[in-house]
Amino acid sequence: AQTVTQSQPEMSVQEAETVTLSCTYDTSENNYYLFWYKQPPSRQMILVIRQEAYKQQNATENRFSVNFQKAAKSFSLKISDSQLGDTAMYFCAFMKQGGSQGNLIFGKGTKLSVKP
Amino acid sequence: DTEVTQTPKHLVMGMTNKKSLKCEQHMGHRAMYWYKQKAKKPPELMFVYSYEKLSINESVPSRFSPECPNSSLLNLHLHALQPEDSALYLCASSQGTLGARSTDTQYFGPGTRLTVL
Repeated sequence: AQTVTQSQPEMSVQEAETVTLSCTYDTSENNYYLFWYKQPPSRQMILVIRQEAYKQQNATENRFSVNFQKAAKSFSLKISDSQLGDTAMYFCAFMKQGGSQGNLIFGKGTKLSVKP
Repeated sequence: DTEVTQTPKHLVMGMTNKKSLKCEQHMGHRAMYWYKQKAKKPPELMFVYSYEKLSINESVPSRFSPECPNSSLLNLHLHALQPEDSALYLCASSQGTLGARSTDTQYFGPGTRLTVL
């Protein structure tokens, strides 16, 4: 069975600074996908970034980038130039490639606060 | 457009009431999901519909009854709920393809905050 671990329950960062959220996972699969979702106080779960395990290049979306280390089973999220609107709960998630639908496994989340 | 809509935003109901939650997407997705989320916890999968057929039921009590009238709509009928069922109910959708390179990324709606008195 796959597991996803987010070891930082809460983090804070000053506006305009950079912060990195950690995520590790455990799987025996070779082909899979990893996601970071953001859930602000407004509650909507928003896809931030996704990474295909077969791609060596780290995914990037504007101020958000990942450091994907497949051998170490690590998938950290870096947020550059943090903004107040980045305040949210961040969930790391794993999906096996070709698995049944609904096979999205979440970590417990990291609550990020961006301070002015 | 990656929009999933849910109504109502908030719902308060008594334990003897019958109510329904509604979810809609117009992205042509063929898989739709219901999740339950308690405060400060990750979402827990309840049901999955694939091509309008129930494909996964994660041992959810029968007081929750899902329905998928067509490929764009997903309902969750509620009856005789308990106070512990109070939670945020999230709907999600995905393309529903399970090819060798399919990501089948799930896109979530804003949720319905349910309170059972």
